Amino acid sequence: DAGVTQSPTHLIKTRGQHVTLRCSPISGHKSVSWYQQVLGQGPQFIFQYYEKEERGRGNFPDRFSARQFPNYSSELNVNALLLGDSALYLCASSPTPVSSYNSPLHFGNGTRLTVT
Amino acid sequence: AQKITQTQPGMFVQEKEAVTLDCTYDTSDPSYGLFWYKQPSSGEMIFLIYQGSYDQQNATEGRYSLNFQKARKSANLVISASQLGDSAMYFCAMRDEFSGGYNKLIFGAGTRLAVHP
Repeated sequence: DAGVTQSPTHLIKTRGQHVTLRCSPISGHKSVSWYQQVLGQGPQFIFQYYEKEERGRGNFPDRFSARQFPNYSSELNVNALLLGDSALYLCASSPTPVSSYNSPLHFGNGTRLTVT
Repeated sequence: AQKITQTQPGMFVQEKEAVTLDCTYDTSDPSYGLFWYKQPSSGEMIFLIYQGSYDQQNATEGRYSLNFQKARKSANLVISASQLGDSAMYFCAMRDEFSGGYNKLIFGAGTRLAVHP
């Protein structure tokens, strides 16, 4: 079975531009979460979607938005990019909305975004 | 405030030896779960092991085990018989107690493990 897939793997953008990152969860997983990992730090929660509804939002500005599609894939959009948005963006899926032993978060390889 | 602390920025270990990676946490939630993830240079976060606060025994998964000391609020990861492929970043994480019914995990800063031949 395919794991969580993210595209693109790498991206270079200029300040002020917009970016869309994509994620396909593991088959059967209805929950998708997005995390931002700045170099040298642990991941920070951005959003979670479950059954196409937003279930949680982290402490990120309104420039960050996301959505989940009927096939449970997801997009993360970031507008008006800043240099500080440079990071690894991780997508994670799980079969249920809450992590546990039976349903830990499964992460993709991430999209490495560089803003110049 | 809820917090995960990993005090070892970097560790190294000789191949085939055991190593302990430290994790302490702070939470007011009586029911919680702790996760350990491994992040190779490829970037993917790989789930290793989970410990629930009410689990009677320390969690084990193959070469990974948790030294869970609830009163001290520590959940140290023990890797036995280290292999070269264990070289990676290791993150301790727990679910945000205020996240309600969703999946917000709080991560520590991580420990970089280097396994030497």
